[in-house]
Amino acid sequence: AQSVTQLDSHVSVSEGTPVLLRCNYSSSYSPSLFWYVQHPNKGLQLLLKYTSAATLVKGINGFEAEFKKSETSFHLTKPSAHMSDAAEYFCVVSGAYGQNFVFGPGTRLSVLP
Amino acid sequence: DGGITQSPKYLFRKEGQNVTLSCEQNLNHDAMYWYRQDPGQGLRLIYYSQIVNDFQKGDIAEGYSVSREKKESFPLTVTSAQKNPTAFYLCASSIGGTTQETQYFGPGTRLLVL
Repeated sequence: AQSVTQLDSHVSVSEGTPVLLRCNYSSSYSPSLFWYVQHPNKGLQLLLKYTSAATLVKGINGFEAEFKKSETSFHLTKPSAHMSDAAEYFCVVSGAYGQNFVFGPGTRLSVLP
Repeated sequence: DGGITQSPKYLFRKEGQNVTLSCEQNLNHDAMYWYRQDPGQGLRLIYYSQIVNDFQKGDIAEGYSVSREKKESFPLTVTSAQKNPTAFYLCASSIGGTTQETQYFGPGTRLLVL
């Protein structure tokens, strides 16, 4: 069985400062891991995914995440926050099949001017 | 322009009424999914379909029904048996149903009870 923990329900940063959104996972399989972003009242957009290739994964809009098997973590980072980054972010672990997509509870990112 | 469309954007349900949410994709994807999103929670899987004319229950299927008569379409019916239907409903699709494939999401339908 898979599970996902997003350690912060809300993160607030100032524009231009680094972003760190934390995710830990549990999986019986070699997992695929994803980060999605959701703006208010919108669908989810894929930021990046890890599928057992390089452990440092680069995504869209300057985001990246590092897969650390020893720590069972997949934290999302961005060097410099932009106002448009304010949204809800979901970490997802996938098991053997697509129906086993397990979503974390989400982290709401606020970006202050 | 490929993607997933959901309609309507907002839907109001009266007590005892069945309502149907539409989901259409033109990505030629085999697999489609319905999720429910409640405030402060992650998404929970209602139903999924890996191929036409076949679908399976997810984690919270009670009070919902689906059909998959066409590859492009996967409508969700919220029945009167669903006692707490107020939520944001998201449809997704993927090329197939395996673990490494990205799921692509529609814009969502917000269901409210009158």
